[in-house]
Amino acid sequence: EVQLVESGGGLVQPGRSLRLSCAASGFTFDDYAMHWVRQAPGKGLEWVSGISWNSGSIGYADSVKGRFTISRDNAKNSLYLQMNSLRAEDTALYYCAKASSRFMTPLFQHWGQGTLVTVSS
Amino acid sequence: DIQMTQSPSTLSASVGDRVTITCRASQSISSWLAWYQQKPGKAPKLLIYKASSLESGVPSRFSGSGSGTEFTLTISSLQPDDFATYYCQQYNSYSPATFGPGTKVDIK
Repeated sequence: EVQLVESGGGLVQPGRSLRLSCAASGFTFDDYAMHWVRQAPGKGLEWVSGISWNSGSIGYADSVKGRFTISRDNAKNSLYLQMNSLRAEDTALYYCAKASSRFMTPLFQHWGQGTLVTVSS
Repeated sequence: DIQMTQSPSTLSASVGDRVTITCRASQSISSWLAWYQQKPGKAPKLLIYKASSLESGVPSRFSGSGSGTEFTLTISSLQPDDFATYYCQQYNSYSPATFGPGTKVDIK
């Protein structure tokens, strides 16, 4: 069974940093691209970033480009999101999502339960 | 970026009803369209991909159709477990993935 468990969320002040992690199990991690998708409280879904199976291809939403960095460690079956210069509008539940293939095509076949990031002073 | 719209935003229906949700893209996305179901406090679940392909394990009462800019999700006979919010999402490889604003299906 595919399991994705996010961690690292919390309350952080504007301008500070936070690193999210996603621990994957139940599938061959390095056979799939991975993504982060967020959902602000009471709002819709927004794709944040994605990374291909070998980290050779990476993409970001314009809203986070230059501030967020996605990475993965295939030896540890883990996905990460380094979030710098956080803003109030980054407040959201951040989901880790498994893609349907090795490549960046953002079709989200499995999702974690999310980790909540709150940016507030 | 490609903009996605959905209609209606809210739909009130009864168990057994046939339900149809429409999704439109601001430009052609061929068949690169997915549908997700989300229940309160839960992560989204993939239902349909490539506009009309049913994800493994999803009941056959769910179906999708369309291509280009207009798509529909149909639930042939609404069940109690189907009351949820439904999102369409385009995944055209030449544009960042974008979601529709969602359609909430609630009990009439």
